[in-house]
Parts: sequence; C-alpha cells; structure tokens
Amino acid sequence: SYELTQPPSVTVSPGQTAKITCSGDKLGHFYASWYQQRPGQSPVLVIFQDNKRPSGIPERFSGSASQGTATLAISGTQTMDEADYYCQAWDSGAVIFGGGTRLAVL
Amino acid sequence: QVKLQESGPGLVKPSGTLSLTCAVSGGSVSSEDWWSWVRQSPGKRLEWIGEIYHSGSASYNPSLKSRVTISVDRSKSQISLNLTSVTAADTAVYYCARDLGIAVAGTARFDPWGQGTLVTVSS
Repeated sequence: SYELTQPPSVTVSPGQTAKITCSGDKLGHFYASWYQQRPGQSPVLVIFQDNKRPSGIPERFSGSASQGTATLAISGTQTMDEADYYCQAWDSGAVIFGGGTRLAVL
Repeated sequence: QVKLQESGPGLVKPSGTLSLTCAVSGGSVSSEDWWSWVRQSPGKRLEWIGEIYHSGSASYNPSLKSRVTISVDRSKSQISLNLTSVTAADTAVYYCARDLGIAVAGTARFDPWGQGTLVTVSS
C-alpha cells in the first residue's frame, strides 16, 4: 500500500529554520498538503498544492516538492510553532496522511 | 467564516453502528465544495474516511468502503457519517472538514476542520 513517511520528531532552536520531510513514491506527481496540529486542537492547513499558503498562514511557512519528497520549512521558528505536522497526498483510491512529526523548539 | 461542529454518541458497542452528524454554519453545504470525514486514532494517525458533494455524489476510502455511508441534508445544512460493524479499532476522534479541492482528482485540502468528537467502541 502507498505510504507517506515522516520523521517522528524534529528539534530546532528558536529563530532557526525547521525542515520536515515527507517521503512517498508519488509525491511530485500528486500534490502535497501540510497540517499543523497543536496539542488538544484540530489540524490546521498550512500548505497546499506543494507550496501555496492559505490566507492567514505566516510567510515563514513554505513548502516544496520534488520526485518522491515533499518538504515543509518553517523559517524563524517560534515557540508557538511547536506542534505535530502531518503531510497529506492522494493515492489511487484514497487521501492518505503521513504519520506525523513532532516539532520541538528548544 | 465556515464552522463545523460534530455531534453524536461518545460510546458505541462492538458490532454496532457509529452515527455522527456535522453541522455546517457560516456557509452552505450546497457550495462548490466537498465535505469530508477524517478520523484520528489514539496513536495520532490520521485516516481519511470519505467525502460527499451536495449532489449526493460520494467517494470513500477503499479500506472502509464496505462499512461507510456519508450523506448530506441540505435543508438542515448537515453532513452525516454511518460506520457499521464497528470494533475497538474504530475508536478515534472523528473530524468533519471542508475539502477545498477534490479528493478523486488528487487535489484534496481540508480547511477548516471541526473540533472533533471522540468515539469509543467498547462493551
């Protein structure tokens, strides 16, 4: 079955750039979206169609994709960016999500 | 601003049917959007269940298709989910979300999400 693979955790220092990867055979062919989920809250869309930001999402969030990999980058990381991040794409038959990455800002 | 609110029983017995409703406010279920159900297991994994258009056209996750029905009630501005023959593996937080793309076209993107409702399958 088609899977999206993310690192379980990423740690970054405040003000630095965090990068979270998502690996999957069909990334680059199908669009990737990214969601932020803070503890106790619902997911929030932060990137769609590989590199587009929804209205209201800070410019420090950006996305990119190439064959087999999608990447979420957060520049100038702040403590408020601590959260779980999930990638999402399409397989032949279903929307699928990555397992999630816990971002720690320390 | 579209808001979504899930509701339904928090406890369902094994082999029973899970039934949830999602109330849509601040927008119309008859818009050019699709309306999805997504669940999140206790281990935090997200799983897409399926989605529906206001015409009634629906698409489902193949892994759940035999047990799932999603419907729309335009008069009540509600989306509903029925999941039959539930087991403990169906215990999860269930979210409804608006899809600003189209799942079967590979352009799905979910925004916003409801607050979610926890459903536990247990006797």
